[in-house]
Amino acid sequence: EIVMTQSEATLSVSPGERATLSCRARQSVITKLAWYQQKPGQAPRLLIYGASRRATGIPGRFSGSGSGTDFTLTIRSLQSEDVAVYYCQQYNDWPPTFGQGTKVEIK
Amino acid sequence: QVQLQESGPGLVKPSGTLSLTCAVSAGSINNYNWWSWVRQPPGKGLEWIGEIYHTGTTNYNPSLKSRVTMSIDKSNNQFSLNLTSVTAADTAIYYCARDLTSSWYLDTWGRGTLVTVSS
Repeated sequence: EIVMTQSEATLSVSPGERATLSCRARQSVITKLAWYQQKPGQAPRLLIYGASRRATGIPGRFSGSGSGTDFTLTIRSLQSEDVAVYYCQQYNDWPPTFGQGTKVEIK
Repeated sequence: QVQLQESGPGLVKPSGTLSLTCAVSAGSINNYNWWSWVRQPPGKGLEWIGEIYHTGTTNYNPSLKSRVTMSIDKSNNQFSLNLTSVTAADTAIYYCARDLTSSWYLDTWGRGTLVTVSS
């Protein structure tokens, strides 16, 4: 299975500042990469698919980029409601696999 | 907007079978979607268990394949998960979810149900 690695366990960002989260795949997943947001006590929520396409209803401050093995999720201007754990997930190969998550907190 | 709701016992004995059902509302299970199960041990990351199509075709995670069975119940618009020979390592929040585009990413999730394996 493809191992996904998120290098930041925790990211502390000031309100209104940019948050940049990284995700690396052990082998190429082309652009078959999704990002999810999970708030405490809630189910994950799809943010990004196809590495850069926002899911329905996702605010424009969330953007994704990358291809192959290296991907980035950017939150342009961090809001208090963005405090959550963010997971990347590859879907180029079965089984789909997730990174271990990056916790975003307010500095 | 389709909604998913998991149900089943919250406590299962070691070596027993974990059985969960996911009810689909505001949409038909016969639509061209794959229906999935994902689990999350408390405080840990996500693991994709497997998926089932409305025809009954399944794909299971190789790490769990020998213990997993999924089924679909069209008359009640629901699908189910059975996991046999459970141990404490199977204690987790179990989520059902929808793969809208048959692409292996999940656009709609249930709220999840905690299953604890303990005697």
